[in-house]
Amino acid sequence: SQTIHQWPATLVQPVGSPLSLECTVEGTSNPNLYWYRQAAGRGLQLLFYSVGIGQISSEVPQNLSASRPQDRQFILSSKKLLLSDSGFYLCAWSVKSGGTGTGELFFGEGSRLTVL
Amino acid sequence: AQSVTQPDIHITVSEGASLELRCNYSYGATPYLFWYVQSPGQGLQLLLKYFSGDTLVQGIKGFEAEFKRSQSSFNLRKPSVHWSDAAEYFCAVGLMDSSYKLIFGSGTRLLVRP
Repeated sequence: SQTIHQWPATLVQPVGSPLSLECTVEGTSNPNLYWYRQAAGRGLQLLFYSVGIGQISSEVPQNLSASRPQDRQFILSSKKLLLSDSGFYLCAWSVKSGGTGTGELFFGEGSRLTVL
Repeated sequence: AQSVTQPDIHITVSEGASLELRCNYSYGATPYLFWYVQSPGQGLQLLLKYFSGDTLVQGIKGFEAEFKRSQSSFNLRKPSVHWSDAAEYFCAVGLMDSSYKLIFGSGTRLLVRP
């Protein structure tokens, strides 16, 4: 069966420090991968998605970047964190379109980032 | 542009009472629709989905949802709420292009009175 792992689960970082959140998927190949952010009291905002290695689409211009160095690895980064980067970050994967999936996303457990 | 509206930020129901959470969407094509549930500090779990066929779909944990094209709605229902249903519920519309992106509503927080 497929599993998705996200780490770290909790992170407290000072303003101006770098960030790296990592996500890996097991049990599937060539998935679509996503990073969402959930700010306090708000819904989920799509930050980045990737349909393949090295292919990153950014949804919202911001202080963050994403990379996909391997098929099942997705990394969210920042060179200098802002206070506004605080939030709950969720990684997700889906089956490729045209395959057997019906479009649902499968989410990791999330990473809570607090920027002080 | 695609969008999802969940008009109720909070809903409180008594345990054993029925529940309906509202969801309206805006999408030019036939939508793929989803309901997810999130417990505090956790990821999202899929409750149910609609992509074709019968407009009344059954999900896990006794939930169901009905797709009404004329009203652009996909409301979630449960006949008898349990205390463990207290959580945040998100409706989403799926973009069935190569991205498979989901556009989420802002969520409805369900509180259950004993």
